[in-house]
Amino acid sequence: GDSVTQMEGPVTLSEEACLTINCTYTATGYPSLFWYVQYPGEGLQLLLKATKADDKGSNKGFEATYRKETTSFHLEKGSVQVSDSAVYFCALDSDTGNQFYFGTGTSLTVIP
Amino acid sequence: GAGVSQSPSNKVTEKGKDVELRCDPISGHTALYWYRQRLGQGLEFLIYFQGNSAPDKSGLPSDRFSAERTGESVSTLTIQRTQQEDSAVYLCASSHTSAGLGEQYFGPGTRLTVT
Repeated sequence: GDSVTQMEGPVTLSEEACLTINCTYTATGYPSLFWYVQYPGEGLQLLLKATKADDKGSNKGFEATYRKETTSFHLEKGSVQVSDSAVYFCALDSDTGNQFYFGTGTSLTVIP
Repeated sequence: GAGVSQSPSNKVTEKGKDVELRCDPISGHTALYWYRQRLGQGLEFLIYFQGNSAPDKSGLPSDRFSAERTGESVSTLTIQRTQQEDSAVYLCASSHTSAGLGEQYFGPGTRLTVT
């Protein structure tokens, strides 16, 4: 079945460092891919998404490209801020009716 | 307007007891979802409501788990005879329609600890 594998954390970076959180997926069809973020004490929020191969999702300086050839959707940001400290989840919607798969989450802490 | 709310935020219960977890979706959202996240694991889809009906119960892990929704609003997830492996964060999400993952708004979750 479909699945998502996400880089384990925790990740600790200094402010203005580059961030990459790896995510790979397995899917039989044509899924949509997502990154969600969960700030302390808050619910999951959609960060960005891509619905087909070669699409790039971007938001708040984060971006991820849907790469079918490598079945990947890595999250990147060129310069992180303290306010980016959160848990990030990669997710897949198989587009075959309420089949959603999430990665285990990667905790990011950015220190000043 | 208000987002998705869940109560309680934390629940500690003894093994064998029943628990009820509540979700208040965003007003007007017809679709409602329950997920579970056990420590070190990703979110698991449990059940989905369209209106007050649950067309997909495939994710419920056992017959100790049940859920209902009334008035196309509040939903309750009930776990009977809780076991230690039920310890997890239970998340609720809602959306205008069953439009897919990208349209879901998540609540903050209920952390359940079974001792």
